[in-house]
Amino acid sequence: AQKITQTQPGMFVQEKEAVTLDCTYDTSDPSYGLFWYKQPSSGEMIFLIYQGSYDQQNATEGRYSLNFQKARKSANLVISASQLGDSAMYFCAMREGYGGYQKVTFGTGTKLQVIP
Amino acid sequence: DAGVTQSPTHLIKTRGQQVTLRCSPKSGHDTVSWYQQALGQGPQFIFQYYEEEERQRGNFPDRFSGHQFPNYSSELNVNALLLGDSALYLCASSLNEVNYGYTFGSGTRLTVV
Repeated sequence: AQKITQTQPGMFVQEKEAVTLDCTYDTSDPSYGLFWYKQPSSGEMIFLIYQGSYDQQNATEGRYSLNFQKARKSANLVISASQLGDSAMYFCAMREGYGGYQKVTFGTGTKLQVIP
Repeated sequence: DAGVTQSPTHLIKTRGQQVTLRCSPKSGHDTVSWYQQALGQGPQFIFQYYEEEERQRGNFPDRFSGHQFPNYSSELNVNALLLGDSALYLCASSLNEVNYGYTFGSGTRLTVV
């Protein structure tokens, strides 16, 4: 079974609109973390936001927020007020394990294109 | 404060050859993980190094090996290259005991012809 599932290969959004990128996960580890990374065409993975499994509140970082629904095992990324520079691949990832034995697994990504 | 540095940025090799990729972690980080990202795919975990030892390994053959040096920098070696090894190889560093995630380099794009 896939540990991280991103069902949207590609998404379009109008500039200044909000967009939600979907992510579901599967783990039996009680302690885990969920990340979103942005990968522009240059290749570098840019960290956007993190949510720990025990965090009570949804994480927010500027225009990025993570809609964490633990019972549904979903961790959707919401980007508000989209900008042209937001056009990129977006990867959801999950950390399992603890301390030095943590491992991060990535989804297949969603390509977001922001339309002027 | 330098982030993660990878070299070279691009590389072209012939099938059957061997290749070495290098990574310098972010200052203060002691753990290095390597990922392979094929075109259009998400990164796949290769292995992780801490205290100069391979601590975890993904589903990759023994042709993939690595090393970590006392200064925490790391190398990824791939022997007997196959066409299917063509990919972006990403290095990520982190601090042991901190469960916050990785800082990634810009990657090395390997093309096997």
